[in-house]
Amino acid sequence: DVKVTQSSRYLVKRTGEKVFLECVQDMDHENMFWYRQDPGLGLRLIYFSYDVKMKEKGDIPEGYSVSREKKERFSLILESASTNQTSMYLCASSTGTVHNEKLFFGSGTQLSVL
Amino acid sequence: GNSVTQMEGPVTLSEEAFLTINCTYTATGYPSLFWYVQYPGEGLQLLLKATKADDKGSNKGFEATYRKETTSFHLEKGSVQVSDSAVYFCALGYSSASKIIFGSGTRLSIRP
Repeated sequence: DVKVTQSSRYLVKRTGEKVFLECVQDMDHENMFWYRQDPGLGLRLIYFSYDVKMKEKGDIPEGYSVSREKKERFSLILESASTNQTSMYLCASSTGTVHNEKLFFGSGTQLSVL
Repeated sequence: GNSVTQMEGPVTLSEEAFLTINCTYTATGYPSLFWYVQYPGEGLQLLLKATKADDKGSNKGFEATYRKETTSFHLEKGSVQVSDSAVYFCALGYSSASKIIFGSGTRLSIRP
């Protein structure tokens, strides 16, 4: 089975801190994604990546950046955390085109910014 | 733009009841349609999908039919179980950029 592992299940940070969320997948997938999940808003795409060192902005990239130095690892960076970034963050991976493949999700990181 | 609208929850049913969760979409072209499920404490996982008009996706007793004329992809199950309690997300896949657009999710609770 494909496994997508997020480094932390719960994280508490202070306003202004730099925050790193790590995600690793073990199935050699080309595509990796970061979503945030908020009640009533569903999942919103922050950034995605098609390949190593490639990145594309999603729908809500402001306040975030990403890094993909290795194929299996995709990091989400909050340069200066703010309270409105308190959310559940979900990492996902996939291979191939969206019509033929499915997203595999990690269990999520619940981030609280105080 | 492209979007997915699904019925607001929470939805509470008794075990063995019939389930419908409505989903409609707005999209140009011919997207694929998906239902994902999120069990408590877990990430999302694909429940079923349909890639073209009139296709029916099915899995674990759940079904959904891709209706282009009504731009809908309603999720149905004939007899729900307590283990079906979860949050259900309708989604569409738009061919440019391999992104998937999700609805807001519907929380389903099944009473024994």
